[in-house]
Amino acid sequence: DTAVSQTPKYLVTQMGNDKSIKCEQNLGHDTMYWYKQDSKKFLKIMFSYNNKELIINETVPNRFSPKSPDKAHLNLHINSLELGDSAVYFCASSQGDGRRLEAFFGQGTRLTVV
Amino acid sequence: LAKTTQPISMDSYEGQEVNITCSHNNIATNDYITWYQQFPSQGPRFIIQGYKTKVTNEVASLFIPADRKSSTLSLPRVSLSDTAVYYCLVGDYHSGAGSYQLTFGKGTKLSVIP
Repeated sequence: DTAVSQTPKYLVTQMGNDKSIKCEQNLGHDTMYWYKQDSKKFLKIMFSYNNKELIINETVPNRFSPKSPDKAHLNLHINSLELGDSAVYFCASSQGDGRRLEAFFGQGTRLTVV
Repeated sequence: LAKTTQPISMDSYEGQEVNITCSHNNIATNDYITWYQQFPSQGPRFIIQGYKTKVTNEVASLFIPADRKSSTLSLPRVSLSDTAVYYCLVGDYHSGAGSYQLTFGKGTKLSVIP
């Protein structure tokens, strides 16, 4: 069983469109994350979310919004896509307050905006 | 202010031991030191974690001196399949959320040469 799964794996879309990436974890973790990895391979946290708090990285445009229908899912919605949004997006999950920094990552979604 | 500093890249021949050192001068008393491995086109994978002294698992060893201001990831007898980016993480506590964020630096790109 895949611990953290993302769909789709690849997403090609035109500028201005709205798209969503889904993430599901079957580990029973209470915290989920979204990361963006750009062409320079820097991994930047976008959001972390548990049932208590949504933490947003202040550099993330408000076109990006996480939606969590339940504890096992954290979907990423992106409105009005721009060329600069092209990147690989990773979902991850962890348990507890994260002090042990042990998280499980999905395989990533490669988003290409044309 | 960068929480960790690592070499950008390292090369090694197959069969050699590789040591990657990470500096974390401002590590907090409660912080763990955690290392992740990322292969191309995959999400980061937790490989080892420690608080002090030495930790060893089936993949690597982690050496942490008494002052904890640095740590060294040791990979014994590397093979071509160990070519990856290795990230060193320490705690990034978000007081607003009361939780830790997994903040990745630039990592060390290890290239294993035949």
